[in-house]
Amino acid sequence: AQKITQTQPGMFVQEKEAVTLDCTYDTSDPSYGLFWYKQPSSGEMIFLIYQGSYDQQNATEGRYSLNFQKARKSANLVISASQLGDSAMYFCAMREGRDQGAQKLVFGQGTRLTINP
Amino acid sequence: NAGVTQTPKFRILKIGQSMTLQCTQDMNHNYMYWYRQDPGMGLKLIYYSVGAGITDKGEVPNGYNVSRSTTEDFPLRLELAAPSQTSVYFCASSYPEDTQPQHFGDGTRLSIL
Repeated sequence: AQKITQTQPGMFVQEKEAVTLDCTYDTSDPSYGLFWYKQPSSGEMIFLIYQGSYDQQNATEGRYSLNFQKARKSANLVISASQLGDSAMYFCAMREGRDQGAQKLVFGQGTRLTINP
Repeated sequence: NAGVTQTPKFRILKIGQSMTLQCTQDMNHNYMYWYRQDPGMGLKLIYYSVGAGITDKGEVPNGYNVSRSTTEDFPLRLELAAPSQTSVYFCASSYPEDTQPQHFGDGTRLSIL
């Protein structure tokens, strides 16, 4: 079974609109973390936001926020006031527990976001 | 700071050749990782290391080897290149804390022909 599911292969949004990118996860570990990364066409991986399983509040980082619904096992990324530079692939990733302390991340397949002017 | 530096950026290998992908970080991170990204897919963990002299397998280790002799360097070796190893390879590093993200290099695009 997929541990991380991103159901939107591609999304098209008008500039300045808000956009929600979906991510659902599957784990039985009570301690886990969820990360979102952005991959522009140039290929690098850029960290956006982190949510821990015990965090009481939804994470926010500037225009990025995470809609964390623990009971539904979803961690959707919300980008407010989208910009042309937001066009990229977006990956959701999960860290389960700890193995010798290392963060072993499992990535979803990604969502390609295109912002139209 | 340079962050995580990967070399080379691009490489074409023939089937059966060997090569080493280099990765170095200057952030004094204990933990380092190697991932591969196949076209249209997310990243998959190949190997990881929690410190010098300590390495372990990830999800897709077959066909690869690693070593970690220093905190800074974490090379990935392909011994007998196969077409299935055509991919983009990313090296990453992180601090131990749960909330700390992994910092990625710019990737190595490898084609096996």
